[in-house]
Amino acid sequence: KAGVTQTPRYLIKTRGQQVTLSCSPISGHRSVSWYQQTPGQGLQFLFEYFSETQRNKGNFPGRFSGRQFSNSRSEMNVSTLELGDSALYLCASSSSPGTTYEQYFGPGTRLTVT
Amino acid sequence: DQQVKQNSPSLSVQEGRISILNCDYTNSMFDYFLWYKKYPAEGPTFLISISSIKDKNEDGRFTVFLNKSAKHLSLHIVPSQPGDSAVYFCAASSSNTGNQFYFGTGTSLTVIP
Repeated sequence: KAGVTQTPRYLIKTRGQQVTLSCSPISGHRSVSWYQQTPGQGLQFLFEYFSETQRNKGNFPGRFSGRQFSNSRSEMNVSTLELGDSALYLCASSSSPGTTYEQYFGPGTRLTVT
Repeated sequence: DQQVKQNSPSLSVQEGRISILNCDYTNSMFDYFLWYKKYPAEGPTFLISISSIKDKNEDGRFTVFLNKSAKHLSLHIVPSQPGDSAVYFCAASSSNTGNQFYFGTGTSLTVIP
């Protein structure tokens, strides 16, 4: 079974631009969560989608948004990029929402904002 | 506000000895805890989990202990192997917040051959 895939793996953008990251979950998984990882901050929860609906949202500004498609693939978008948005963005999928289901992470997208 | 804390950024252990990684949390509503291992350039890999109804869960060389009164959990790796060298993250969640996991900042473990 293929794992979680994320594209692109690396991205360089300039301040003020917008970016869209993509995540394909494990086949059969319907829950997708997004995290931002920065040095010293660990993984910060962005949002979670299940059946095309956002179920949870972390404490991030409205510039960060996401969506999920009917095939469970998910995208996240960051508008008006700031230098502080430079981070590793991780996507995780699980078979169902709920704490008893382990999340499986993709390799991440490394975003650099210059 | 960091609800899950890993106060040791790094740990070095000799091969064959025990590695103990610690994690503290502040939210008493957390009832599910996980440990993840992360190698460079890869996403975190699920290692082991524990529900708040237990105080210990074991899987091969890995054991997680939960002390709810102290809001503390630890991961024991026995015996430690060089391949265990990675960054370890603990994470916590409350059953009424779905998959919103709160992660610690990670502990980098180095197992010395």
